[in-house]
Amino acid sequence: GAGVSQTPSNKVTEKGKYVELRCDPISGHTALYWYRQSLGQGPEFLIYFQGTGAADDSGLPNDRFFAVRPEGSVSTLKIQRTERGDSAVYLCASSLTGSAETQYFGPGTRLLVL
Amino acid sequence: RKEVEQDPGPFNVPEGATVAFNCTYSNSASQSFFWYRQDCRKEPKLLMSVYSSGNEDGRFTAQLNRASQYISLLIRDSKLSDSATYLCVVNLGGSYIPTFGRGTSLIVHP
Repeated sequence: GAGVSQTPSNKVTEKGKYVELRCDPISGHTALYWYRQSLGQGPEFLIYFQGTGAADDSGLPNDRFFAVRPEGSVSTLKIQRTERGDSAVYLCASSLTGSAETQYFGPGTRLLVL
Repeated sequence: RKEVEQDPGPFNVPEGATVAFNCTYSNSASQSFFWYRQDCRKEPKLLMSVYSSGNEDGRFTAQLNRASQYISLLIRDSKLSDSATYLCVVNLGGSYIPTFGRGTSLIVHP
């Protein structure tokens, strides 16, 4: 079956602009995670959804970052007033139930803020 | 101190060598442990879970040392295709949020 997909694969934007990153998880997976990965670092947790609700958003760096999952499947990560420091690979992962189990990652969106 | 620490490497080894990585974690309440593999410019993929009794999958062996709070990954008979970054992942007991280490880079050369 299809894996986790993310769009766009690459996004170049200017400082101060708004961007939306989309994640389509594996069908039937209730848990969805967003991570941010900078060069030479491991994925850094941003937010975790269980179904439609954000069960834990403690990793969001500030109020410019927001994510939604209105129907419990596709999720969108939204970044307002982008800054150069937001440049990174944004990874989405899904898992069946969200307990400590295998996470399946999408290919990521490479965001570059100029 | 970081929650999960890994030596970034790179570990540069010849084909056929045996190589081992360690990963230390700071929270003694950690309950679940994993190794993920990440190829250059690709997403992480699960390599193996780490069980208390240790576990083996082909050339790969993972072990957990709770007393010293570290996990290890041993790769025997290294192949060129083993070249990648190996990420250590730790979950606190009852937590849905995994913590990733920064990864250890392995380069296997002919």
